[in-house]
Amino acid sequence: GQNIDQPTEMTATEGAIVQINCTYQTSGFNGLFWYQQHAGEAPTFLSYNVLDGLEEKGRFSSFLSRSKGYSYLLLKELQMKDSASYLCAPMDSNYQLIWGAGTKLIIKP
Amino acid sequence: GAVVSQHPSRVICKSGTSVKIECRSLDFQATTMFWYRQFPKKSLMLMATSNEGSKATYEQGVEKDKFLINHASLTLSTLTVTSAHPEDSSFYICSARDLVPQTGVNTEAFFGQGTRLTVV
Repeated sequence: GQNIDQPTEMTATEGAIVQINCTYQTSGFNGLFWYQQHAGEAPTFLSYNVLDGLEEKGRFSSFLSRSKGYSYLLLKELQMKDSASYLCAPMDSNYQLIWGAGTKLIIKP
Repeated sequence: GAVVSQHPSRVICKSGTSVKIECRSLDFQATTMFWYRQFPKKSLMLMATSNEGSKATYEQGVEKDKFLINHASLTLSTLTVTSAHPEDSSFYICSARDLVPQTGVNTEAFFGQGTRLTVV
């Protein structure tokens, strides 16, 4: 079956760094997306990895290891507005996104 | 990034009535649009995949006659919740996928703002 595993909730301090891990099992693989979702809002696109390695985009970086079925999202210089849920969504062989419940990130002053 | 506009953002309707939700891709042609439903603190649940000019593909357990999807053009898909009941109250989100012309690979999915439906 297809499965996504992320921590349910994480807490970090403003200005710090946090890494959100994601392991996945899918039928085929066509890349992995990370989305940010604030409560009551639709998800917004953060990153897309299709090759192994680290993709850096400003304060956010995303890493992928296809052989391990593993990805992480790294958030630096945390700001209060980063408090949100972070969704890891791999794309399967049918180009369909597989969604987990996401990780709720709480930023404290 | 590309823009997907979803309307309305909030709607309250009486039980038994129908509600139409529109999803428009504003600056790209979306051959495929997706409709999701999300319950509080739960993950996105794919309801159906909508391809322009053809019938939508519904996920198992989703009633086709209750959730009518029309994708008449490359920029517009609509979801109509027919004979709505209180249990249909939820957050409905559409997304549209842009094609990368060179590779033909579907790339990042862009989401609409979502529609909060409350059936009273």
